[in-house]
Amino acid sequence: ETGVTQTPRHLVMGMTNKKSLKCEQHLGHNAMYWYKQSAKKPLELMFVYNFKEQTENNSVPSRFSPECPNSSHLFLHLHTLQPEDSALYLCASSQDRGGRRNTEAFFGQGTRLTVV
Amino acid sequence: AQKITQTQPGMFVQEKEAVTLDCTYDTSDQSYGLFWYKQPSSGEMIFLIYQGSYDEQNATEGRYSLNFQKARKSANLVISASQLGDSAMYFCAMREGGIGSYNTDKLIFGTGTRLQVFP
Repeated sequence: ETGVTQTPRHLVMGMTNKKSLKCEQHLGHNAMYWYKQSAKKPLELMFVYNFKEQTENNSVPSRFSPECPNSSHLFLHLHTLQPEDSALYLCASSQDRGGRRNTEAFFGQGTRLTVV
Repeated sequence: AQKITQTQPGMFVQEKEAVTLDCTYDTSDQSYGLFWYKQPSSGEMIFLIYQGSYDEQNATEGRYSLNFQKARKSANLVISASQLGDSAMYFCAMREGGIGSYNTDKLIFGTGTRLQVFP
């Protein structure tokens, strides 16, 4: 099993659909992240969870709703998305040591989302 | 504001040769971390190497080394003895904050460099 697993790998959804992306990490980390990677743009941090608590919401529209039921699982609930939301959504995890040298972030393979 | 700049959208290198991928950064923090990630066509971001702002020696990990020039705010990645499997996108990233910061894993990424290794 890889360290960070994302499902589904590919998703096509209509603008009126509701879907969820799932991320699971098997590394014992306590911090998880959602990033968005659009074509020809740098990765953008969307949400950060430390110890299951959301500590960062990077001005993300409310049509994206994260959920972190435990330190191993992270979801991104999607509803009424726009075509410009089509992108690769990457999940990552790391071990937050409270400011001392944290581990590097480990990423999943991403979900390629297409909104039609 | 913090920023990462990768000026090379694409690079070509012949197999077994060395290649340098450029990265410059901008920060007002004294404590920060610099990372390089590799992203093959499968999509996964693979961690390659890390350099802390207070590390005096350049980081090395196998065929990867980081040429850290703090005064110039550059953190170039050097890949020695390139292999066909090195063909991928390469991203430079920076983590703000340091000791005393609670939430320190906000990575800021550059736009990436596509490396193609040819036989």
